[in-house]
Amino acid sequence: QVQLQESGPGLVKPSQTLSLTCTVSGGSISRGGYYWSWIRQHPGMGLEWIGYIYYSGTTYYNPSLKSRLTISIDTSKNQFSLNLTSVTAADTAVYYCARDHPFDNSGFYYWGQGALVTVSS
Amino acid sequence: DIQMTQSPSSLSASIGDRVTITCRASQGIRNHLSWYQLKPGKGPKRLIHAASTLQSGVSSRFSGSASGTEFTLTISSLQPEDFATYYCLQHNSFPRTFGQGTKVEIK
Repeated sequence: QVQLQESGPGLVKPSQTLSLTCTVSGGSISRGGYYWSWIRQHPGMGLEWIGYIYYSGTTYYNPSLKSRLTISIDTSKNQFSLNLTSVTAADTAVYYCARDHPFDNSGFYYWGQGALVTVSS
Repeated sequence: DIQMTQSPSSLSASIGDRVTITCRASQGIRNHLSWYQLKPGKGPKRLIHAASTLQSGVSSRFSGSASGTEFTLTISSLQPEDFATYYCLQHNSFPRTFGQGTKVEIK
């Protein structure tokens, strides 16, 4: 059973960098066929897709965040990470990591439970 | 980007009621749509994929259908554990886009 778990600081100051890591267990992140993804939910709002990374290092970012966003992967640790620079209060959200299944048309099956990140001084 | 217009944004219903939630895509997405249930403190749970395929282990009271660019999630008989927020997701193209969500509350 694949499991994903987000980790990282719950509080980030404005203008600083938000960093989160997703640790994958029960399956290898190096296995092809999946896009390792980040999604967020602003308080009281809907879900927003952030971007993905493939095991090869290929990435695709939401254009609305692209200038501030880096997603990286560490196959030796079975982890992938999100870095979002120059954060503001608008980046306060619950951040989820998830596995996208693009080649079998099934969307996201495995999700982390989410990590609340608050941007505040 | 493909826009997903989901309605209603909220609804109140009683146990045993039939509930229908709709998502309309701004352009064709074939059947590349899935439905998720979100409860506080938990990750989203996939209910339906490929527009109408029930996720293994999910109650058969949930069903999905599609007609062109309009997609529907139906709960045939609402149960206490179904009170949650529901989202559609198009995974036909990038960026992936979600509907705005439907909060199902107890009447």
